[in-house]
Amino acid sequence: DQQVKQNSPSLSVQEGRISILNCDYTNSMFDYFLWYKKYPAEGPTFLISISSIKDKNEDGRFTVFLNKSAKHLSLHIVPSQPGDSAVYFCAASVGFGSARQLTFGSGTQLTVLP
Amino acid sequence: SQTIHQWPATLVQPVGSPLSLECTVEGTSNPNLYWYRQAAGRGLQLLFYSVGIGQISSEVPQNLSASRPQDRQFILSSKKLLLSDSGFYLCAWSASTVYTFGSGTRLTVV
Repeated sequence: DQQVKQNSPSLSVQEGRISILNCDYTNSMFDYFLWYKKYPAEGPTFLISISSIKDKNEDGRFTVFLNKSAKHLSLHIVPSQPGDSAVYFCAASVGFGSARQLTFGSGTQLTVLP
Repeated sequence: SQTIHQWPATLVQPVGSPLSLECTVEGTSNPNLYWYRQAAGRGLQLLFYSVGIGQISSEVPQNLSASRPQDRQFILSSKKLLLSDSGFYLCAWSASTVYTFGSGTRLTVV
């Protein structure tokens, strides 16, 4: 049972345009959501997160939106750059303090075309 | 600052051979430690996690085991590797909501 789903395995975007990566979840108990970026043969690196008490969080070119009623979150990258080409994982967690565990989606390969 | 080290970076092992992957964390005490695997073309699967020395929880029953002999050391092992154990293994640590991952080990079982 996949509790966190990324239904688009790949996405191609022109440099300078907006990239929108989507993620859906089924567990209404999830209260914290994260996006990670992963290059080949490297570990994922943390990108941005959002608590369930918010509906938007912004950090430079990256914005995460959370729609709790739809159990949906998205990552917007504006403007997209060739260096953004990577696999993006969304993750969700529930728990208290150090007992939290992350559940990851299957990832979306973003390719930014120059 | 905290750092996480994982080695080796790549490993080619024959079927039936043993496995030992090591992960250490510096700059923090009593971290939560995790082993994940990314199979080819798939997402990140949690294998084991540990909230303290000697405390191991297994998420997926399989051919692997984990141990935490010291506070900041996490070891992934197998007595006999299977072809299906091939994949990209990632160690991670956390103190709260954000996980920090190591650089990963590419394991190929031949």
